[in-house]
Amino acid sequence: QKEVEQNSGPLSVPEGAIASLNCTYSDRGSQSFFWYRQYSGKSPELIMSIYSNGDKEDGRFTAQLNKASQYVSLLIRDSQPSDSATYLCAVSRYGGSQGNLIFGKGTKLSVKP
Amino acid sequence: DVKVTQSSRYLVKRTGEKVFLECVQDMDHENMFWYRQDPGLGLRLIYFSYDVKMKEKGDIPEGYSVSREKKERFSLILESASTNQTSMYLCASRFRDRGLSGELFFGEGSRLTVL
Repeated sequence: QKEVEQNSGPLSVPEGAIASLNCTYSDRGSQSFFWYRQYSGKSPELIMSIYSNGDKEDGRFTAQLNKASQYVSLLIRDSQPSDSATYLCAVSRYGGSQGNLIFGKGTKLSVKP
Repeated sequence: DVKVTQSSRYLVKRTGEKVFLECVQDMDHENMFWYRQDPGLGLRLIYFSYDVKMKEKGDIPEGYSVSREKKERFSLILESASTNQTSMYLCASRFRDRGLSGELFFGEGSRLTVL
């Protein structure tokens, strides 16, 4: 069974701090990795995608990928109360049907003012 | 602007009823997906469709069927609703050409309660 694992949290950080969210996956053939943000009562929205080893930065968000360790992370710098949400890690399946994603169960982030 | 619309935000049905959940996207996406989301279990794929009249089972297809007669519309059908199908149902779509790189766009969700 191919899996994506995340700490469920809640992860609580003070406003202005760096929030670090982690994700591990079991499918060595996975090629594409995504972070979705989901506010309470809302649907998920994509915030970052990463396809190659290393870091990818977009504003206050940095995604990090290490395929050898099967590890993906999301760093949120200068965390704001508006960042309080559940963050879902999603990983593409290798082989089989094209384009399927496996989602982790999500990490709930709480940013305290 | 990207739009995935699910026909009903909240539904209450009785055990044994047939339930239709409709999803329409206006982005000319080839791929469409149905997920359910439950506390502690995360998002789980029920069915997906690569294109019109094509469908494939996801991880938890039992008790569900789907229909994709037109490109913009993907319907999820519960032939005989059961209480364990009480859940939040999320529809999503994506361009086929983006393949594994493609962003999923989600609808607002349909919260189904089966009594």
